[in-house]
Amino acid sequence: DTAVSQTPKYLVTQMGNDKSIKCEQNLGHDTMYWYKQDSKKFLKIMFSYNNKELIINETVPNRFSPKSPDKAHLNLHINSLELGDSAVYFCASSQDIPGGPVADTQYFGPGTRLTVL
Amino acid sequence: RKEVEQDPGPFNVPEGATVAFNCTYSNSASQSFFWYRQDCRKEPKLLMSVYSSGNEDGRFTAQLNRASQYISLLIRDSKLSDSATYLCVVNDYTGGFKTIFGAGTRLFVKA
Repeated sequence: DTAVSQTPKYLVTQMGNDKSIKCEQNLGHDTMYWYKQDSKKFLKIMFSYNNKELIINETVPNRFSPKSPDKAHLNLHINSLELGDSAVYFCASSQDIPGGPVADTQYFGPGTRLTVL
Repeated sequence: RKEVEQDPGPFNVPEGATVAFNCTYSNSASQSFFWYRQDCRKEPKLLMSVYSSGNEDGRFTAQLNRASQYISLLIRDSKLSDSATYLCVVNDYTGGFKTIFGAGTRLFVKA
């Protein structure tokens, strides 16, 4: 069974379009994340989200917005796509530890390769 | 100074070699540390958490030195299957949760 799944696996689209990437986790985790990995392979967090708090990396353009219909899902909406948005986007999840902070392993989805033409 | 810095690599080693990766972090208040492994065109996967007392998992040993803000990963008896990118990860909880990945160190193990 896939723990963290993303759809689609590949997404090719034109500049200016609006697109969404879906993420689902069946681990019962409290927190979900979106990461962007660019062509230089550097992995940068975009958002972390649980039902209490959304933490946004301030460098993320407001064209990117996370939407969480429930605890198991965190979708990523991107408006007005730009060439520089081409990258691999990873969703991840982790379990909050009561009384934390302690080590909180993140489990990653397989990634969505976005190409903006 | 970057928040998390790793050896740039790539490391090219023969099978059976011992290889060590280093990672430094800038925030002395950082609280949890990990090594992840990422294969080409795949997602990162946890290799091991890193504890102050040091921890070992088979051929892999991780060490944390809080005074020097330094994390290491030692791989003994390298296998071809160890070829991957190794990512150092640091979690900060001061002023809100923050997780920072290093740029990764590429390892090639050759026969």
